[in-house]
Amino acid sequence: DAKTTQPPSMDCAEGRAANLPCNHSTISGNEYVYWYRQIHSQGPQYIIHGLKNNETNEMASLIITEDRKSSTLILPHATLRDTAVYYCIVYDFLNAGGTSYGKLTFGQGTILTVHP
Amino acid sequence: GAGVSQSPRYKVAKRGQDVALRCDPISGHVSLFWYQQALGQGPEFLTYFQNEAQLDKSGLPSDRFFAERPEGSVSTLKIQRTQQEDSAVYLCASSSGGTGHEQYFGPGTRLTVT
Repeated sequence: DAKTTQPPSMDCAEGRAANLPCNHSTISGNEYVYWYRQIHSQGPQYIIHGLKNNETNEMASLIITEDRKSSTLILPHATLRDTAVYYCIVYDFLNAGGTSYGKLTFGQGTILTVHP
Repeated sequence: GAGVSQSPRYKVAKRGQDVALRCDPISGHVSLFWYQQALGQGPEFLTYFQNEAQLDKSGLPSDRFFAERPEGSVSTLKIQRTQQEDSAVYLCASSSGGTGHEQYFGPGTRLTVT
């Protein structure tokens, strides 16, 4: 089961910041928070990830609370092309055959609609 | 560079037929994942390969599903005796490492079983 809770949908005006919240109250100390998005009829696209510190890249910023129980993905200037389902994922680290790997467990995500 | 490619993009099968779905990962990526996405749902993990070794097949829903990656590059997901509940988008993803590396997804194969 997904370890995260997200609102089912959000709206945002074009050019404004989109702030997408995520609750992950059961996150463990070594688990990362990953964000992906899925535009209609495409495969999911990686956006950003973080452990404790806030992170920023060319697509977005990730703000993680000090207790790590929640985070917010920020798209600073949303465009119509940012309309998508956004998934917040607590990254599962697993071991098999002496090898560590990560498995993505997607929830329902947040449908972000950016309107003109 | 080239991303993850999948073929066919669309497949219609009659119930009971066998299907084979192909994934070409990004060159050099050792990790390969298969996911199943039902309509209106998020993707669900099926299986994981590191090079040619299938290290995790815990998500395969039945023994009608199996996957292979014999040379550690191209992978094939095979579904035998397809059922209507197998209708979904099948996504392949690859990454360069085991942990802490983002997965790059292909466009998926939409399977419809009639």
